[in-house]
Amino acid sequence: SQQGEEDPQALSIQEGENATMNCSYKTSINNLQWYRQNSGRGLVHLILIRSNEREKHSGRLRVTLDTSKKSSSLLITASRAADTASYFCATVYSGGSNYKLTFGKGTLLTVNP
Amino acid sequence: SAVISQKPSRDICQRGTSLTIQCQVDSQVTMMFWYRQQPGQSLTLIATANQGSEATYESGFVIDKFPISRPNLTFSTLTVSNMSPEDSSIYLCSVEWDRGPWDEQFFGPGTRLTVL
Repeated sequence: SQQGEEDPQALSIQEGENATMNCSYKTSINNLQWYRQNSGRGLVHLILIRSNEREKHSGRLRVTLDTSKKSSSLLITASRAADTASYFCATVYSGGSNYKLTFGKGTLLTVNP
Repeated sequence: SAVISQKPSRDICQRGTSLTIQCQVDSQVTMMFWYRQQPGQSLTLIATANQGSEATYESGFVIDKFPISRPNLTFSTLTVSNMSPEDSSIYLCSVEWDRGPWDEQFFGPGTRLTVL
């Protein structure tokens, strides 16, 4: 299976703290994307990082990519209760379809007020 | 981005029946996809909805169970046929403009299906 893995599976922090989630994958990729899902609803696209990029920022989000280790991390700074959600990484594998997303298992983040 | 809607948002169905889920986008898109998310699990791609031709199914999914239509560039349907409790999942459509391997996919709000 090419499915990635996120860790931790669950993370509980206090408001204002930073949250870091990790994602590992198995084969070469074109890009890696992070999504958020609130309470089993639709997915919200957060950020896309290409295989030739190492770091990307968007507001309070910081994503890193280490292709040598086949891993990525998502950092949410100064977390808020509204950040409570499940976070998924998804990869587009090189050599395959340009559009097929392979999702990891997700990290459930709980931010306590 | 695009505004993506799905109907119904949720449904409770009896075993052996079928349900058709609609996905509508407010602009023309190149690619449309259907995913399944089983309870507590991640998303799995069911198929790519191809305009004017048969959908392309992923391993483990077949047309008889999940027939898909895509009559134009803004609309697609997924039917879950002869349902069993194992089909209870959230079904999501997604879209992409196919601008290359660094393109984003945008997801609809999902349809939560419960099969009794």
